[in-house]
Amino acid sequence: AQKVTQAQTEISVVEKEDVTLDCVYETRDTTYYLFWYKQPPSGELVFLIRRNSFDEQNEISGRYSWNFQKSTSSFNFTITASQVVDSAVYFCALSDRSSGDKLTFGTGTRLAVRP
Amino acid sequence: KAGVTQTPRYLIKTRGQQVTLSCSPISGHRSVSWYQQTPGQGLQFLFEYFSETQRNKGNFPGRFSGRQFSNSRSEMNVSTLELGDSALYLCASSTGTSGSPNEQFFGPGTRLTVL
Repeated sequence: AQKVTQAQTEISVVEKEDVTLDCVYETRDTTYYLFWYKQPPSGELVFLIRRNSFDEQNEISGRYSWNFQKSTSSFNFTITASQVVDSAVYFCALSDRSSGDKLTFGTGTRLAVRP
Repeated sequence: KAGVTQTPRYLIKTRGQQVTLSCSPISGHRSVSWYQQTPGQGLQFLFEYFSETQRNKGNFPGRFSGRQFSNSRSEMNVSTLELGDSALYLCASSTGTSGSPNEQFFGPGTRLTVL
């Protein structure tokens, strides 16, 4: 069975602080994909990144970076120099070979960035 | 390129009624997935349609059904509404290519309130 755990329910930071959102996953498959989505107040889920289980290279995109560690089944997301516009709910999700496009989501982390 | 559109955006129904929600995927996308988002259960997969056929299904009662048309537009129907069906219903589209999970693009959602 698949499971995604986001233990941090809410995080509040002051603008320009760095913040890391944690994600721990469980799957029996050796082939799987991990995702991060952002959900602003408008409700639409915005795709941020997809990473497959064979690629443990960390990725950086502007102020965003992702740390994938298979040894600890974690896929953490760091925002550097946070901005007010980063305020949203962030979801980590998992899909494995047996589930196709079906995503199993974590419960989300609500990030509030204060000016 | 137009994004995923969902209609209506907001809906109020009473218990026992039925409701139909519509989703138009991104042009060229053949797969449409539906998710239910509630404060208590989070984001849960309902079903996926590809080329007018249901390809994957979540654990929801038979009151929840869907279909896909030849132009890839999809509808989901909920019959005999219950209070617990109040939720944000999100639709996602992808190319649907088999072999590995595809990047999914989400619509803004339909917020259903059951009174």
